[in-house]
Amino acid sequence: EAGVTQFPSHSVIEKGQTVTLRCDPISGHDNLYWYRRVMGKEIKFLLHFVKESKQDESGMPNNRFLAERTGGTYSTLKVQPAELEDSGVYFCASSQDGQAATNEKLFFGSGTQLSVL
Amino acid sequence: GESVGLHLPTLSVQEGDNSIINCAYSNSASDYFIWYKQESGKGPQFIIDIRSNMDKRQGQRVTVLLNKTVKHLSLQIAATQPGDSAVYFCAERDPSSGNTGKLIFGQGTTLQVKP
Repeated sequence: EAGVTQFPSHSVIEKGQTVTLRCDPISGHDNLYWYRRVMGKEIKFLLHFVKESKQDESGMPNNRFLAERTGGTYSTLKVQPAELEDSGVYFCASSQDGQAATNEKLFFGSGTQLSVL
Repeated sequence: GESVGLHLPTLSVQEGDNSIINCAYSNSASDYFIWYKQESGKGPQFIIDIRSNMDKRQGQRVTVLLNKTVKHLSLQIAATQPGDSAVYFCAERDPSSGNTGKLIFGQGTTLQVKP
């Protein structure tokens, strides 16, 4: 079974440009999460999709970030325009159950390393 | 806001020794905690978890201890191996979100295992 896949693995862009990150969750997983780790600090929650609906987007930093999950399958996270402080690693995670008793069934992708110059 | 933090950014241990990684949390309402391991180029991987009604839980070579009185969490790795080298994160499930995958992470401790 394929895991959570993210593309690209690395992206280097200039300040002011647009970047779109993609996440393919494990097949059948209705719940999809975006997290990011900035400047070697803690990993922070961005948002949570249940199928195509945004369940919780309280972690989105500002309106330069737009997440979509059309059709409830893969998700994209677009940053427009990118700023220097957006540099970091963006992780996607998925799970089948939204109300899970444990986190053993929450699977993370390898992340996208975003560098804004 | 609430946060989960780690005491040390880096821990260096000799192969074969035991490792102890510590974490402090601030939300007394938190009832579920997880330790993740992140290897270079990979995403966080579940290691072990513990609920607030427990003080200790053991896995294979790993033990998690929870002290709710002082809001402290620790991960003990027995007979540390080179393959244990990674960044370790503690995390708590956000108590306001129900039993979802919304987590509050600590800053991470880099474990370096010397041969």
